[in-house]
Amino acid sequence: EVQLLESGGGLVQPGGSLRLSCAASQFTFSSYAMGWVRQAPGKGLQWVSSLSNSGYSTYYTESVKGRFTISRDNSKNTLYLQMNSLRAEDTAVYYCAKSGIAFGGTINYFDCWGQGTLVTVSS
Amino acid sequence: EIVLTQSPGTLSLSPGERGTLSCRASQSVSSNYLAWYQQKPGQAPRLLIYGASSRAPGIPDRFSGSGSGTDFTLTISRLEPEDFAVYYCQQYVSSPATFGQGTKVEIK
Repeated sequence: EVQLLESGGGLVQPGGSLRLSCAASQFTFSSYAMGWVRQAPGKGLQWVSSLSNSGYSTYYTESVKGRFTISRDNSKNTLYLQMNSLRAEDTAVYYCAKSGIAFGGTINYFDCWGQGTLVTVSS
Repeated sequence: EIVLTQSPGTLSLSPGERGTLSCRASQSVSSNYLAWYQQKPGQAPRLLIYGASSRAPGIPDRFSGSGSGTDFTLTISRLEPEDFAVYYCQQYVSSPATFGQGTKVEIK
């Protein structure tokens, strides 16, 4: 069974940084694009960023461009999200998600999701 | 950016009834690159439908997706108690990928 396990969330002050990790298992990680989707408390889903299977192609939602960086280490089966200059509006549960098609487009649907990690930006 | 608008915001139904959820896009979703997800409180979303009408593995056949262009529908033929949840549509035509605001299906 595919597993995605996020870590790295927590409480951070405005302007601070966090790095989220997502450890993947039970599938060929290097064959699939991956992404991050967030959900603010009581709100809907918002796509944040996606990364191609090779790591060469990246996409971001406008509000995080220049502040967040998505990356992956295919040798460690791990996805990352480096978050800098954090704002109160970045407070959310962050989900790691696997694209549904091997060697498919970087922007894709997600067929497997982690349980999420909570990021709280507050002074 | 493709904006997805879901309706209704809340759908109040009884078990056994049919549920029809709508997702309208601000511009054409080419190749029917539209997915539907179910989310229950405290849980991660679960993929139900991709490519507008293809059921994900393990999804019961009471869930079906249809539509093309700008208008898409998720139909739950007979609601089971476990189907009461929030449903989201998502387009993956191009960046930014976008989600609808969700439809909550609640017990009447």
